[in-house]
Amino acid sequence: AQSVTQPDIHITVSEGASLELRCNYSYGATPYLFWYVQSPGQGLQLLLKYFSGDTLVQGIKGFEAEFKRSQSSFNLRKPSVHWSDAAEYFCAVGAYTGNQFYFGTGTSLTVIP
Amino acid sequence: GAVVSQHPSRVICKSGTSVKIECRSLDFQATTMFWYRQFPKQSLMLMATSNEGSKATYEQGVEKDKFLINHASLTLSTLTVTSAHPEDSSFYICSARATVQETQYFGPGTRLLVL
Repeated sequence: AQSVTQPDIHITVSEGASLELRCNYSYGATPYLFWYVQSPGQGLQLLLKYFSGDTLVQGIKGFEAEFKRSQSSFNLRKPSVHWSDAAEYFCAVGAYTGNQFYFGTGTSLTVIP
Repeated sequence: GAVVSQHPSRVICKSGTSVKIECRSLDFQATTMFWYRQFPKQSLMLMATSNEGSKATYEQGVEKDKFLINHASLTLSTLTVTSAHPEDSSFYICSARATVQETQYFGPGTRLLVL
């Protein structure tokens, strides 16, 4: 079955500290992986995506993610968190030509001064 | 990047009334649009997929007579929640895709509250 697991429901980090949000997936075909961010009451903004090639992908706002096929993971990282990064983060997996995106349940990030 | 808008951003209605939500792709032609529903503190669940000029394809468990979807043009899809009830209160998000090779771009969402 297709699924995405984000083990951490909520994470709190200090501003300036590094961040890693975990994402594990189960997918029957070649996965195409995405990270989205959602601010309160807002829609989703694409941070980055992985289709193929280099397994370390760079995104917007200083985020990066690494695809590890052997671990079925696609963890999101940022070396230094800013207060404006506080939001909900969703990992998603989909097929390249399909319609269905499977979203994780999200990780809520709180940034403390 | 591609921009998708939704209108209204927030709507409050009485139980039994119908509500229409618009989803527009502003700077590209969307052959396919998607409608998602998000409950508080939960993830997005795909409700239906619509291709321009065709009938929408609904996910299992989604009532097509309850949630009417129209994708009449390459830049506009509408979701009509018919005879809304309090349990329909939710955050509805649309996304749009230009071609199969492209990723989906999400709208800002519409928060529906049914009293």
